[in-house]
Amino acid sequence: EPEVTQTPSHQVTQMGQEVILRCVPISNHLYFYWYRQILGQKVEFLVSFYNNEISEKSEIFDDQFSVERPDGSNFTLKIRSTKLEDSAMYFCASSGGTGRSGETQYFGPGTRLLVL
Amino acid sequence: GNSVTQMEGPVTLSEEAFLTINCTYTATGYPSLFWYVQYPGEGLQLLLKATKADDKGSNKGFEATYRKETTSFHLEKGSVQVSDSAVYFCALSRIQGAQKLVFGQGTRLTINP
Repeated sequence: EPEVTQTPSHQVTQMGQEVILRCVPISNHLYFYWYRQILGQKVEFLVSFYNNEISEKSEIFDDQFSVERPDGSNFTLKIRSTKLEDSAMYFCASSGGTGRSGETQYFGPGTRLLVL
Repeated sequence: GNSVTQMEGPVTLSEEAFLTINCTYTATGYPSLFWYVQYPGEGLQLLLKATKADDKGSNKGFEATYRKETTSFHLEKGSVQVSDSAVYFCALSRIQGAQKLVFGQGTRLTINP
């Protein structure tokens, strides 16, 4: 069964460093998402991406964050200058592409980011 | 704005017990509702969903009914197993615009043999 994959599974970085989290969505999906979960808190939406552009972003997704689909398979989240409060589990998700409410989003296993 | 509230965890039950995890929502219009499950060390997996009022979603013995009168989508299972131990997330997506998911805080369920 097709699945969303994410690399790395764990990432430790120093405050101020740039990190790139990578995702390979399901191959025929058209909508891509990033969510994050700070330890002990809710899963929060960061950004959605469709047709090579951001379709929606949350207030969390400030200028330090960017997303890119550099080729036909990868979807990346870049944090330019990490802060301690960026420590979280980051989930990538994809969905088939109707964009309508009720369409299932398929999640990857997550990347745990720790900023020291 | 849209929000989801789940019952506080953790929840610990014995095998074969009846399970209810409460979920209520606040939203404009009639969103779609979901239950996702996260097993240890894994990502979020869709457990079930309902896209309109009075729909019942079901999967693996779990059920939830979309109740617009009470704005609820409670998760139930008649007889839980040890393998059901996981974190359960209730979520909604809007009916218009990008279908971002809004999650509840998650409920950790532990089933003891």
